[in-house]
Amino acid sequence: AQRVTQPEKLLSVFKGAPVELKCNYSYSGSPELFWYVQYSRQRLQLLLRHISRESIKGFTADLNKGETSFHLKKPFAQEEDSAMYYCALIGGGGFKTIFGAGTRLFVKA
Amino acid sequence: EAGVTQSPTHLIKTRGQQATLRCSPISGHTSVYWYQQALGLGLQFLLWYDEGEERNRGNFPPRFSGRQFPNYSSELNVNALELEDSALYLCASSLRSGANVLTFGAGSRLTVL
Repeated sequence: AQRVTQPEKLLSVFKGAPVELKCNYSYSGSPELFWYVQYSRQRLQLLLRHISRESIKGFTADLNKGETSFHLKKPFAQEEDSAMYYCALIGGGGFKTIFGAGTRLFVKA
Repeated sequence: EAGVTQSPTHLIKTRGQQATLRCSPISGHTSVYWYQQALGLGLQFLLWYDEGEERNRGNFPPRFSGRQFPNYSSELNVNALELEDSALYLCASSLRSGANVLTFGAGSRLTVL
């Protein structure tokens, strides 16, 4: 069964510190993985997807098939990064997007 | 270009009643997805429609149902409302069936008293 696990409900870091939001997935094939973000009073929106291999707002995420992980990283957190982050997966037949429970990132001044 | 629009923004019902939520996708998007976002539970997949057909449904009872219209808009119906149905219901659309980025609406907040 497809599953996305985000082990941390809340992550609090100081401004300028590195941040890593963890995401592990369970899927037997080759999934397509995403990070979505929801800033305060805004809609849930795409942050990045693994096939694009791009850095968005300083965030990057690397797919590690061996560890079935897709952790989101940023070397220097900013206060405006405070938001709810969701890891998501699309896999195989069915083509539905499955979301993790989300991690709330709080960047302190 | 208008984004994904959902109505109503807020809806208050009592136990046993029925609720209908509506969603209009971005122009050109044929797939519509419904998710339930209950407090502390993240996004739970409810239903996926594409080209007027139900393609997949999540682990929800049959009293959660919906449909997609020829103009690709969609509605979600929840019958025999229970207190635990209180949640934010999010609609998302995508360009085509499967393997694509979702664009979300602002959501409809359903409160069951």
